[in-house]
Amino acid sequence: EAGVAQSPRYKIIEKRQSVAFWCNPISGHATLYWYQQILGQGPKLLIQFQNNGVVDDSQLPKDRFSAERLKGVDSTLKIQPAKLEDSAVYLCASSFDGGKSYEQYFGPGTRLTVT
Amino acid sequence: GDSVTQMEGPVTLSEEAFLTINCTYTATGYPSLFWYVQYPGEGLQLLLKATKADDKGSNKGFEATYRKETTSFHLEKGSVQVSDSAVYFCALVPGYALNFGKGTSLLVTP
Repeated sequence: EAGVAQSPRYKIIEKRQSVAFWCNPISGHATLYWYQQILGQGPKLLIQFQNNGVVDDSQLPKDRFSAERLKGVDSTLKIQPAKLEDSAVYLCASSFDGGKSYEQYFGPGTRLTVT
Repeated sequence: GDSVTQMEGPVTLSEEAFLTINCTYTATGYPSLFWYVQYPGEGLQLLLKATKADDKGSNKGFEATYRKETTSFHLEKGSVQVSDSAVYFCALVPGYALNFGKGTSLLVTP
């Protein structure tokens, strides 16, 4: 079974530029999560989708971050404009049954550096 | 809000030593508790979980027991190997998403 795929793996941009990350969850997984992991900290949830609807985006900085999950499969996370403090690893995860088993499968992450 | 606190690292042990990584939680209800591991250059992986009080999760020689009376979920392994070198995250689920601790880095030396 293929795991959660993310791209790109690394991205370096200047502040005020925009960037987009892509995630393809495990086939059949209805729930998709985006986490932000700042160096030295644990991952923090940004947004959770159930199929193509948003379940929780309370910690998403909506003035600059946006995310979508068209057709309930792939998802993109965008930052526009980026700030220095957005430097982090962005993790995508998916789960089969809406998180009831709470077993989430994580992708390798995208490491973003904002200069 | 619901959260976990885990011991600060890095933790450095010799091969075959006993490992304990402390994790305590704060929650209004009865959350499920998890340990995730992140090996160098890899994504987060679920190591073990416990969904109710007194449950013991175990995997790959690691164990953790959900202790409601002490609000703890300490990770233990009787004999660590060099391949156990990684960052370990304690987490809980108050709703649907995971709330992670800051992580504890473990280095096992030969």
